[in-house]
Amino acid sequence: SQQGEEDPQALSIQEGENATMNCSYKTSINNLQWYRQNSGRGLVHLILIRSNEREKHSGRLRVTLDTSKKSSSLLITASRAADTASYFCATINAGNNRKLIWGLGTSLAVNP
Amino acid sequence: DAGVTQSPTHLIKTRGQHVTLRCSPISGHKSVSWYQQVLGQGPQFIFQYYEKEERGRGNFPDRFSARQFPNYSSELNVNALLLGDSALYLCASSMTGGPNTGELFFGEGSRLTVL
Repeated sequence: SQQGEEDPQALSIQEGENATMNCSYKTSINNLQWYRQNSGRGLVHLILIRSNEREKHSGRLRVTLDTSKKSSSLLITASRAADTASYFCATINAGNNRKLIWGLGTSLAVNP
Repeated sequence: DAGVTQSPTHLIKTRGQHVTLRCSPISGHKSVSWYQQVLGQGPQFIFQYYEKEERGRGNFPDRFSARQFPNYSSELNVNALLLGDSALYLCASSMTGGPNTGELFFGEGSRLTVL
């Protein structure tokens, strides 16, 4: 079953703009991770934020976590055409901490 | 260093057949997980193995089985294939298989088409 729900399902922006994707989940979590997937290929880990953290940065990526609202956001600043991909959030549930539960993903298109 | 490698990359089977997918984790990683990703959806957890023991199982029928070998490589087997088994099968490795699983390193996947 899917845990996270990413919003929007699809996003199209121009190079240089910022892209914001949101993820909502249903149960208490240990951590939340964001991954990127180029068309039909393997997933690449972007960033992990723990349940006791509120914000984390990595290069052009900024992730926030609001456990009271059970939601997270991924911000990509100054987007590039190479950022075109699908972005997934995945959570480790507090009660079952050996598997990741994934959302449906946001498809991001960055137009040159 | 080589990343996670999976084989075959693509394969076509017919209903009722059996398939074996293989995965070699990153050197030094002892945990391997398998995920199924149907087109347009997120990955679904199938199995996790750590130190050759099954540590987690998703909601998949008994037609799905897996094992991990002493060198930490892994096989995913699917019997009596159905059309709905058509998907990208992803293998991921990690350093540990314990609580608070962290970053996973994924292979490029095996794309299975069942006709």
